[in-house]
Amino acid sequence: DIQMTQSPSSLSASVGDRVTITCRASQGISSYLNWYQQKPGKAPKLLMYLTSSLQGGVPSRFSGSGSGTDFTLTISSLQPEDFATYYCQQSSSTPITFGQGTRLEIK
Amino acid sequence: EVQLLESGGGLVQPGGSLRLSCAASGFSFSGYAMSWVRQAPGKGLEWVSSIRSSGAPTYYADSVKGRFTISRDNSKNTLYLQMNSLRAEDTAVYYCARHISGDWGWDYWGQGTLVTVSS
Repeated sequence: DIQMTQSPSSLSASVGDRVTITCRASQGISSYLNWYQQKPGKAPKLLMYLTSSLQGGVPSRFSGSGSGTDFTLTISSLQPEDFATYYCQQSSSTPITFGQGTRLEIK
Repeated sequence: EVQLLESGGGLVQPGGSLRLSCAASGFSFSGYAMSWVRQAPGKGLEWVSSIRSSGAPTYYADSVKGRFTISRDNSKNTLYLQMNSLRAEDTAVYYCARHISGDWGWDYWGQGTLVTVSS
């Protein structure tokens, strides 16, 4: 199974900050990496697919990069609605696996 | 508008069974692979099972293999998850989700249905 490790597990930041979340795969997954945002009591929402493709309706302040084993999600200027938990997910092979999540909190 | 509406969750005793349903609308259901993903209380996301658009093949996480069965009825635009031999560790919110075309990620999710396994 491919293990996905996110860092940090939690992060405090302020509105307007630039934030980067890292996701590392235990083996190469090419560009088969997706990112989700989840708010309390809500379903996950797809942000980025295939590493760097922005899902429709997602603000352009979100961007993704990486390849192979190391990936990043960057939020260029945090907005109040961005405080949530973020998950990476590999779609290279089954079993499909997620990172443990990064909780982004208001400083 | 794409909508996925899960139902069938509830409280069940260990060893019991439950069938979840997910009614899809707003898209051509028969053209998409579908999945179930779960989230235990206060925990992260866990992929459970997937099914191709035609109904086969199907795929399962090791944690549910042999106990859960995914299926679909394309004539009814509905996805199912039959859960047998339920355990306490199956307690979670279960989401149905539509696959991104050509990928094993999900672009639309239902609101989830809570399954609680407890005596």
